[in-house]
Amino acid sequence: NAGVMQNPRHLVRRRGQEARLRCSPMKGHSHVYWYRQLPEEGLKFMVYLQKENIIDESGMPKERFSAEFPKEGPSILRIQQVVRGDSAAYFCASSPQGGRQETQYFGPGTRLLVL
Amino acid sequence: GENVEQHPSTLSVQEGDSAVIKCTYSDSASNYFPWYKQELGKRPQLIIDIRSNVGEKKDQRIAVTLNKTAKHFSLHITETQPEDSAVYFCAAYDGGSEKLVFGKGTKLTVNP
Repeated sequence: NAGVMQNPRHLVRRRGQEARLRCSPMKGHSHVYWYRQLPEEGLKFMVYLQKENIIDESGMPKERFSAEFPKEGPSILRIQQVVRGDSAAYFCASSPQGGRQETQYFGPGTRLLVL
Repeated sequence: GENVEQHPSTLSVQEGDSAVIKCTYSDSASNYFPWYKQELGKRPQLIIDIRSNVGEKKDQRIAVTLNKTAKHFSLHITETQPEDSAVYFCAAYDGGSEKLVFGKGTKLTVNP
């Protein structure tokens, strides 16, 4: 049973380019969460999605960032016109049903470096 | 919203000693508290969690205790080994939402 998959594992972009990060949840999981981790810091919630729906995007910057989880295919976190401050590790997590007692399982992360 | 405080930020112990990491939370409605271990460059891995209907849970050398009245929970690692060295994060769900709020982490070093 494959765990949460993320790709790419490492991504280098120049300022102003776009970054697309992909996340495939564990089999049977329909809830996806994205978190950002700056060096030597904890994880900060960005957005929570179910298939075809954004449930909570309160942690995501209003500009340049967007997320989707289509009916088919992985969830995608998109960052337009990247800036150096976007350099971080981006982790997604999935859970089977959602809910405030559900365990979230994390993927290996995408480490974004903006030059 | 939920606020999770974690202490200490760094902890160094000798192999075989015990390690204790403490977290406090602010939302009295929180009822699920996971602990994650993150090795350098790796994903956060769930090591143990506790739900509010129990006060303590053990899994081999790892235990978690929960005091709902005082709104704090602790991770206990006994007989520490060098491979326990990592950053440990506690978390709690925020308010009525489904987002996990994480503590800032504890860097545990187990010296051989």
